[in-house]
Amino acid sequence: LAKTTQPISMDSYEGQEVNITCSHNNIATNDYITWYQQFPSQGPRFIIQGYKTKVTNEVASLFIPADRKSSTLSLPRVSLSDTAVYYCLVGDAQAGTALIFGKGTTLSVSS
Amino acid sequence: DAGITQSPRHKVTETGTPVTLRCHQTENHRYMYWYRQDPGHGLRLIHYSYGVKDTDKGEVSDGYSVSRSKTEDFLLTLESATSSQTSVYFCAISESSGYGYTFGSGTRLTVV
Repeated sequence: LAKTTQPISMDSYEGQEVNITCSHNNIATNDYITWYQQFPSQGPRFIIQGYKTKVTNEVASLFIPADRKSSTLSLPRVSLSDTAVYYCLVGDAQAGTALIFGKGTTLSVSS
Repeated sequence: DAGITQSPRHKVTETGTPVTLRCHQTENHRYMYWYRQDPGHGLRLIHYSYGVKDTDKGEVSDGYSVSRSKTEDFLLTLESATSSQTSVYFCAISESSGYGYTFGSGTRLTVV
């Protein structure tokens, strides 16, 4: 399983754009990149997933360079409710193994 | 989340007693997982299942066993509970092993 490295914590203010970068230097050809969000006392929930280039949905954007060794989750105009832990994971749909979550990035948004 | 239920939601038990946590899904997903979450450690994989009666160990499997006798249920058993197993336990399901995980609401277990 490809390991990921992401910052332990980040701080921001309401209305700012937040970019969280994840490093996955040994990502495999069949691996997808997925980001999850977790609020206190809840299970993680899916935010966005991609394989290469850029993916955008109603919540976030995911930027993946051509070499796929890193990815950046972009949250536009964050609010207090975006305070959460964000996990970056890479995984192969055909591998039959399980994702290893790690500690994630704790994002704190202040007013 | 819709389609996945964990029970009980909260439990207090004594050291040395066996405890079983249940994860039930209505999505007919092939994969099911048990994670534990502790302050400072993030989510750690305990065991997972890739089909009925097919299971494998995760990062922190010592002291835990699992069983999956039917697609919809994945049971986690603490054979002899210890205080170090006080944690929040999350179950997850997915159609694919690499992505698309849906998590349950968690079980808060306290071992005294």
